[in-house]
Amino acid sequence: NAGVTQTPKFQVLKTGQSMTLQCAQDMNHNSMYWYRQDPGMGLRLIYYSASEGTTDKGEVPNGYNVSRLNKREFSLRLESAAPSQTSVYFCASSEVTGELFFGEGSRLTVL
Amino acid sequence: AQSVAQPEDQVNVAEGNPLTVKCTYSVSGNPYLFWYVQYPNRGLQFLLKYITGDNLVKGSYGFEAEFNKSQTSFHLKKPSALVSDSALYFCAAVRRDNFNKFYFGSGTKLNVKP
Repeated sequence: NAGVTQTPKFQVLKTGQSMTLQCAQDMNHNSMYWYRQDPGMGLRLIYYSASEGTTDKGEVPNGYNVSRLNKREFSLRLESAAPSQTSVYFCASSEVTGELFFGEGSRLTVL
Repeated sequence: AQSVAQPEDQVNVAEGNPLTVKCTYSVSGNPYLFWYVQYPNRGLQFLLKYITGDNLVKGSYGFEAEFNKSQTSFHLKKPSALVSDSALYFCAAVRRDNFNKFYFGSGTKLNVKP
């Protein structure tokens, strides 16, 4: 049982390049999330999807887009990367009972 | 504004001593409360949660948390710390009317010294 799987684990981009972070969960959860983690700031929600076919903005959505491809997969796209998007990105999933299950993280550096 | 506060960036404790990591919350509507742990270069792992009932919640790895409604606090405790408990700990809250918006504290780094 893999839980939540994110790819890639590491990525270096140049300013203006685009990329997509992939996330898949095998726990049949309805809700999926993308967070970013920056030192001293905890986790900030970028986007979430409460169910297949729906997506909503979180706290820091600017510069990002998401796609809930099916119940298992939720991708995060950076259309034109900026140095301010250098961060560690976490995908998570949950059921209504609450606790989040996190992936191992994707470490993105934008030069 | 809804928020969760962890007033200590870092907590240092000697192995074998009790530990406490503090958390207070300002989230309306009797939220669910959580503690997560993050080891270096890993994702967050669920430790325990409070929904209702007994104010002392027991979780993984010998951790427990004490809920205090009047003080809006949810402190993480362990009677005897291990070196392997050294990690980053996050407190979180979620409102009962919107399970999709978790409010996270900024994290507390726990250092357990031999």
